[in-house]
Amino acid sequence: DAMVIQNPRYQVTQFGKPVTLSCSQTLNHNVMYWYQQKSSQAPKLLFHYYDKDFNNEADTPDNFQSRRPNTSFCFLDIRSPGLGDAAMYLCATSTSGSRYEQYFGPGTRLTVT
Amino acid sequence: QKEVEQNSGPLSVPEGAIASLNCTYSDRGSQSFFWYRQYSGKSPELIMSIYSNGDKEDGRFTAQLNKASQYVSLLIRDSQPSDSATYLCAVSRVSASKLTFGTGTRLQVTL
Repeated sequence: DAMVIQNPRYQVTQFGKPVTLSCSQTLNHNVMYWYQQKSSQAPKLLFHYYDKDFNNEADTPDNFQSRRPNTSFCFLDIRSPGLGDAAMYLCATSTSGSRYEQYFGPGTRLTVT
Repeated sequence: QKEVEQNSGPLSVPEGAIASLNCTYSDRGSQSFFWYRQYSGKSPELIMSIYSNGDKEDGRFTAQLNKASQYVSLLIRDSQPSDSATYLCAVSRVSASKLTFGTGTRLQVTL
């Protein structure tokens, strides 16, 4: 089945220790997104790739970076995680062919100690 | 004013009843509207999309859109305990790939 996969599902890191989250998709969608979601809040868009074009949200901290080496994979790098970065990180994909309906992966729960 | 507003709930309905979830949005340029279901600790799951005024039905779910009133709703018929979740409303503009989410309404279906 076509899907969006995120690894790891759970990540524990220490304060200030860099961490990388990964996302892969078999949907062949050209748009990929990274969201941060904290408890009882709406998903907050961090950035998205439209094909190879990177689009950063204005309020995304510099501490967050992303890479998309090819159509299928996308990475989220948190350079120096703080306690406030503990959250669920969601990867999603979409394509213009389906009116940008977004399909989410299972998410990575990040804990910062 | 929030761009997409939802009542946070919880909305409690008995099993078998109709659950009605509402959402208002402020951007008149919005053209695509989505409902996501999110179980606690899980990721959002797309359950309905609607693009034109009127009703769209899919199984027990009906989405209703009124662009003049900037209002979109989701009806769940014959509610089941497994429908207990948070329902997120999301909107986007024409030819835009970005969604604006509401904070969600928590639905509780009681036995």
